[in-house]
Amino acid sequence: KAGVTQTPRYLIKTRGQQVTLSCSPISGHRSVSWYQQTPGQGLQFLFEYFSETQRNKGNFPGRFSGRQFSNSRSEMNVSTLELGDSALYLCASSTGNSYEQYFGPGTRLTVT
Amino acid sequence: GNSVTQMEGPVTLSEEAFLTINCTYTATGYPSLFWYVQYPGEGLQLLLKATKADDKGSNKGFEATYRKETTSFHLEKGSVQVSDSAVYFCALSGRSGGYQKVTFGIGTKLQVIP
Repeated sequence: KAGVTQTPRYLIKTRGQQVTLSCSPISGHRSVSWYQQTPGQGLQFLFEYFSETQRNKGNFPGRFSGRQFSNSRSEMNVSTLELGDSALYLCASSTGNSYEQYFGPGTRLTVT
Repeated sequence: GNSVTQMEGPVTLSEEAFLTINCTYTATGYPSLFWYVQYPGEGLQLLLKATKADDKGSNKGFEATYRKETTSFHLEKGSVQVSDSAVYFCALSGRSGGYQKVTFGIGTKLQVIP
């Protein structure tokens, strides 16, 4: 079974721009969660989608948004990028009934 | 709300030393507990899990026992190897704000030296 894939793996953007990250979950998994990982804050939960609906949301500003498609693939979007958005963005999939999560390799976003 | 507390590290050990990484949690109800490991440049991988009190999760020589009375889930390994160098995350899944969600600890960096 193929694992969780994330694209792109690396991204460099300028302040004020927007970015879209993509996540393809394990086949059959209906839940996709997004996390931001930084050295100072650790793993911060962004949001979770299940069957195309946002089921959970962390404490991030409205510049961070996401969506999930009917095939369970998910995208997250960050608008008006700030230097502090530089981080590793991790996506995790699960069946949605069990919270055993399977993580992708992450997208390393650098904002300059 | 739910929370997980673990030492940040780094923890530095010599090869073949005994490892303990402490993890305590606060949660309502009966959460499931997990340890994840993150190797450099990679995402997190599930290392082991326990779903009810007194369960012992084990994998690759690592063990952790779900202790409800002390709200703990400490990670142990009898003899660490250089290849165990990584960041270890304790996590729980439980109800918070009406939804089931996963809460992670800050992560503990382990360095094993030959």
